Amino acid sequence: GAGVSQSPSNKVTEKGKDVELRCDPISGHTALYWYRQSLGQGLEFLIYFQGNSAPDKSGLPSDRFSAERTGGSVSTLTIQRTQQEDSAVYLCASIPFGSGPDEGYTFGSGTRLTVV
Amino acid sequence: KQEVTQIPAALSVPEGENLVLNCSFTDSAIYNLQWFRQDPGKGLTSLLLIQSSQREQTSGRLNASLDKSSGRSTLYIAASQPGDSATYLCAVRRGSYIPTFGRGTSLIVHP
Repeated sequence: GAGVSQSPSNKVTEKGKDVELRCDPISGHTALYWYRQSLGQGLEFLIYFQGNSAPDKSGLPSDRFSAERTGGSVSTLTIQRTQQEDSAVYLCASIPFGSGPDEGYTFGSGTRLTVV
Repeated sequence: KQEVTQIPAALSVPEGENLVLNCSFTDSAIYNLQWFRQDPGKGLTSLLLIQSSQREQTSGRLNASLDKSSGRSTLYIAASQPGDSATYLCAVRRGSYIPTFGRGTSLIVHP
């Protein structure tokens, strides 16, 4: 597609429920990043997928968080047993893996998650 | 470990002023530096990208400079407008590593 697409744009869920957030990167962008941004805070790195390599999960805050990427394209971030502190904007970015210095990151418009 | 700092953290100015936002980084081994704009609760929109071999990039009223040796970049906004109100973030890329972001400068331009 022309840009990075994230869905849903907004999600309100009850505490304890599971949620799935979707990211569809730009076609051909083999590197994909998930970030979380709590209200008034900076970007918090969550997970990084690069091509067919094992993802870098070093930023996932707990084992309630997981992500997968199917067919090297669409990625799904799953949060199990949601807590109120999970409320944030979840952002996805992509870039061609191994690209040169003339390439930058493209972000989606984010998913605003509210846990009530 | 790369660290990125943005100064000031917040800025409030009257319409029409020329502004300078600062971004500093600790490791000069970078591919490029990218400036983004973020509206509240939204994603990041890329404004300018400066490659490590470049000194500056311009787009409309925006001009970004890069001094890699001193670890600094500035974003210059000419003749600011209320529509420029947003948070501005810089991000430093080093190859295929995870990019490092600053915490951003929150800008308010009042009429």
